[in-house]
Amino acid sequence: AQKITQTQPGMFVQEKEAVTLDCTYDTSDQSYGLFWYKQPSSGEMIFLIYQGSYDEQNATEGRYSLNFQKARKSANLVISASQLGDSAMYFCAMRERGRGGSEKLVFGKGTKLTVNP
Amino acid sequence: DTGVSQDPRHKITKRGQNVTFRCDPISEHNRLYWYRQTLGQGPEFLTYFQNEAQLEKSRLLSDRFSAERPKGSFSTLEIQRTEQGDSAMYLCASRGLPHNEQFFGPGTRLTVL
Repeated sequence: AQKITQTQPGMFVQEKEAVTLDCTYDTSDQSYGLFWYKQPSSGEMIFLIYQGSYDEQNATEGRYSLNFQKARKSANLVISASQLGDSAMYFCAMRERGRGGSEKLVFGKGTKLTVNP
Repeated sequence: DTGVSQDPRHKITKRGQNVTFRCDPISEHNRLYWYRQTLGQGPEFLTYFQNEAQLEKSRLLSDRFSAERPKGSFSTLEIQRTEQGDSAMYLCASRGLPHNEQFFGPGTRLTVL
């Protein structure tokens, strides 16, 4: 079974600064996908960024970038120029191949990010 | 793309009652997932549909839980004889080509008294 570890229960960052949220994963698959989702207090999971295991470049989406280190099995999320609206829970997830081709997501426990003005 | 919708958003029920939740995925998405999220945890997979076929069920899905997707469009998740341990956020997600990501609905928060 695959496993996602997020070791930071909470992180604080000053507005306009960059912050890195840690994620390590464990899998024996050669082909896999890694995701980051944001969950505000309203509860909806918002997709941020995706990294495929065979992608040669680190993924970037606007202010979000994924620092993918395959040998270390880490997929850290970097948020640049933090904004107050970035305060939320952040979840790292891995796509796991299941029965019937489900490709379900396995999530970590999340990191609560607080952006201070 | 109107997004994934779920109904109701909140449900309070008494122990032993049955509840049913509905999920409307993004219309062209053939894959539909249900997850459960308890306080302080990430979402956990419950079940997966491809079109109308339920192809995978988690061990978390006890006999009191049943899910359907009758015409390959909307899906329902029913919990019979609810228990306090069923209190959680129930999230629905859908996925379709060419996307890698799953798109989540706003969730249904269930409280069992």
